[in-house]
Amino acid sequence: SQTIHQWPATLVQPVGSPLSLECTVEGTSNPNLYWYRQAAGRGLQLLFYSVGIGQISSEVPQNLSASRPQDRQFILSSKKLLLSDSGFYLCAWSSGLEGLQQFFGPGTRLTVL
Amino acid sequence: SQQGEEDPQALSIQEGENATMNCSYKTSINNLQWYRQNSGRGLVHLILIRSNEREKHSGRLRVTLDTSKKSSSLLITASRAADTASYFCASRFSGGYQKVTFGTGTKLQVIP
Repeated sequence: SQTIHQWPATLVQPVGSPLSLECTVEGTSNPNLYWYRQAAGRGLQLLFYSVGIGQISSEVPQNLSASRPQDRQFILSSKKLLLSDSGFYLCAWSSGLEGLQQFFGPGTRLTVL
Repeated sequence: SQQGEEDPQALSIQEGENATMNCSYKTSINNLQWYRQNSGRGLVHLILIRSNEREKHSGRLRVTLDTSKKSSSLLITASRAADTASYFCASRFSGGYQKVTFGTGTKLQVIP
């Protein structure tokens, strides 16, 4: 069966520090991968998605970036965090087939102070 | 933005009652999906309805889709305290895009 891992679960970082969140998927190959951000009590904002290694589509211009160095690894990064980067970050995968049903990881709660 | 919108934003009902949540979207879709999120957790897929379907059932869940009105509804029958969560619709728009767009969610509280 497929599983998706995200770490860390929680993170507190000072403004201006770098960020690296990692997401890995097991049990499937060539998945579509997604990074979402969710502000407190709000819906999900799609940040990046990837349909293959090295292929990244950015949805919202910001100081975040994403990379996909391996088929089942998706990394969200920032060189300098802003206060507004605080939120709940969710990684998800889908098979890329017609339905695009999303399977979510447990999320990372990021607080920027 | 093509984001869907759910209403109500919040809903509080007694255990055993039915809960209905609505979702509207703006452009043609390939399918529409409903997800559930418990507080502080990732989302869990509940049900998917394709654009050529009008109604779909899964256990205590019933989803309808009206493409002429660009709207969908999720009905949870005989609600339980464990149904307390936020519910989101997500639509895959026509055009071959490899992504779905989530709505703003309905926060459901089921009181025991």
